[in-house]
Amino acid sequence: GNSVTQMEGPVTLSEEAFLTINCTYTATGYPSLFWYVQYPGEGLQLLLKATKADDKGSNKGFEATYRKETTSFHLEKGSVQVSDSAVYFCALSSASKIIFGSGTRLSIRP
Amino acid sequence: DVKVTQSSRYLVKRTGEKVFLECVQDMDHENMFWYRQDPGLGLRLIYFSYDVKMKEKGDIPEGYSVSREKKERFSLILESASTNQTSMYLCASRSSGTAYGSNQPQHFGDGTRLSIL
Repeated sequence: GNSVTQMEGPVTLSEEAFLTINCTYTATGYPSLFWYVQYPGEGLQLLLKATKADDKGSNKGFEATYRKETTSFHLEKGSVQVSDSAVYFCALSSASKIIFGSGTRLSIRP
Repeated sequence: DVKVTQSSRYLVKRTGEKVFLECVQDMDHENMFWYRQDPGLGLRLIYFSYDVKMKEKGDIPEGYSVSREKKERFSLILESASTNQTSMYLCASRSSGTAYGSNQPQHFGDGTRLSIL
């Protein structure tokens, strides 16, 4: 069946460091892929999405490219800020529902 | 912007009580979902609804039921609350997309942190 695997956290970085959070998926067909972010005490917010192979989603300095050949959708940001501290979820959309990864907690040190 | 509103941010109930969690969305979305989120377990799908009066079991439906009498409202019901149902509950909605499935994202409420004593 469909599944999403993302790197386990927590991930701790210094401000202005480069961020990569790995996400790989298993799916039949051509799912859409998403990254969500959850700030403390809040629900999940859509960060970016990609709907077909080689699409690049981007938002707030974050990027992720839909790689069908490696079944990956890694999240990257060139220079993180303290305000990026949150939990990040990779997800894929199948016909009936969305499947989420387990989440990666990111902490940024000033 | 889509707005998904959950009726309570924090709720404290007693074991054995019947508990209602309400969720309302304002974008005429067909699909609505209830999840619970627990440390180390990620999001787990309890129930979802394709449309009014329709419901499907998710991965962990035991101990829960749902009601979708109107398109904008999706209620989660704990029939007889137990301590192991203490959790963060998240509601989400999305457009149904095409007949072959949806590539639309889900939109989430802020969550209800429920404590069962």
